[in-house]
Amino acid sequence: QVQLQESGPGLVKPSETLSLTCTVSGGSITSYYWSWIRQPPGKGLEWIGHIYYSGSTNCNPSLKSRVTISVDTSKNQFSLKLSSVTAADTAVYYCARDHPIVGATWVYYYMDVWGKGTTVTVSS
Amino acid sequence: QPVLTQSSSVSASLGSSVKLTCTLSSGHSTYIIAWHQQQPGKAPRYLMNLGARGSYNKGSGVPDRFSGSSSGADRYLTISNLQSEDEADYYCETWDSNTRVFGGGTKLTVL
Repeated sequence: QVQLQESGPGLVKPSETLSLTCTVSGGSITSYYWSWIRQPPGKGLEWIGHIYYSGSTNCNPSLKSRVTISVDTSKNQFSLKLSSVTAADTAVYYCARDHPIVGATWVYYYMDVWGKGTTVTVSS
Repeated sequence: QPVLTQSSSVSASLGSSVKLTCTLSSGHSTYIIAWHQQQPGKAPRYLMNLGARGSYNKGSGVPDRFSGSSSGADRYLTISNLQSEDEADYYCETWDSNTRVFGGGTKLTVL
């Protein structure tokens, strides 16, 4: 079955750019959207954004100005860059697969496969 | 954009049943939602998606003890025969206008 694994630095300095990669195994990255989600310590889940294998993206409006999501289909990977980080960006970052439910005039996405998460701390 | 409201915490006894609620904001009562379980120290796990008429589709390996239902703007997750491993945070989420919204989560304590 499909498995996801996040990777990247666990410590990022304030004002720098956080960079993470999610590797998809056990299936192809094509034909799905792929999401990034984060969870600050002791808090709930926050959706960051997602990307289609073709490169089309949607992002959380509250983070949109700092977020870049990209995809590398040859490596079955997608990536997150979050610029100008502060301590408020300290969180566990998860990647997930978005599964579509298609209606006559609408599409709904839910996340059906999650990675194990990676902790990122923003500190000097 | 919809808002999802969940109780912050619920407790129930081992072997009993519990019904968790996720309420959609006004104007969004027909929306599909999904339920996720997050056991302590672990990543979230997809449980099911749930429509306005109460039809639901569970993820692979989700026990039969987990079921869903709906009434108006409320989406329910019922867990029967509670086990100790059901102690977890439960989140609902929905999708609208190219963005995803999460509820605040319900912490379930199994007594």
